[in-house]
Amino acid sequence: AQSVSQHNHHVILSEAASLELGCNYSYGGTVNLFWYVQYPGQHLQLLLKYFSGDPLVKGIKGFEAEFIKSKFSFNLRKPSVQWSDTAEYFCAVNSHNNNDMRFGAGTRLTVKP
Amino acid sequence: DGGITQSPKYLFRKEGQNVTLSCEQNLNHDAMYWYRQDPGQGLRLIYYSQIVNDFQKGDIAEGYSVSREKKESFPLTVTSAQKNPTAFYLCASSIRTSWGDEQFFGPGTRLTVL
Repeated sequence: AQSVSQHNHHVILSEAASLELGCNYSYGGTVNLFWYVQYPGQHLQLLLKYFSGDPLVKGIKGFEAEFIKSKFSFNLRKPSVQWSDTAEYFCAVNSHNNNDMRFGAGTRLTVKP
Repeated sequence: DGGITQSPKYLFRKEGQNVTLSCEQNLNHDAMYWYRQDPGQGLRLIYYSQIVNDFQKGDIAEGYSVSREKKESFPLTVTSAQKNPTAFYLCASSIRTSWGDEQFFGPGTRLTVL
């Protein structure tokens, strides 16, 4: 069965620091990859997604992620974080052939002003 | 407004009682899902349904039941057999495209069993 690992449980950064959140998945077939964000008290919402094509994907609010197939990774990056990026971030994967989505355990990001 | 609604936002029940959580979507999506979110464990799939009158168990289906009588509705019943029902429950829906599926989430229901 497919699974998703997020390396960091809680990340604390100062404003303007660069961010990289790790995500690795295990699945042998063709996958779709996602990063979702959950701001305090709000819906889970999509940051970005990869289905095919350019492995460097740009999302909302200045986030990007790079799909490295050989490493089964889909790390999330942002060059300069803001206090408003404080949230929980979830990596997720599903296969092209079914809807069975798997989520990582999440990474809580705290950005200090 | 198109979207996914879950009700109620907060729900309290006594131990041993069954409780049903509502999920409605007006996005005309084929597939719907129920997840449970616990701190440090991310989202775990309880049940999902790809079409009306059909559903499949996810990773943690024990103690839960669902129905999918209408495309727009996918209620989840937390039964007394669920050993640790206190959690945050999220409903989602998705539409299949030629390049893949994307899920959209509701606001969630926080269930507390006393």
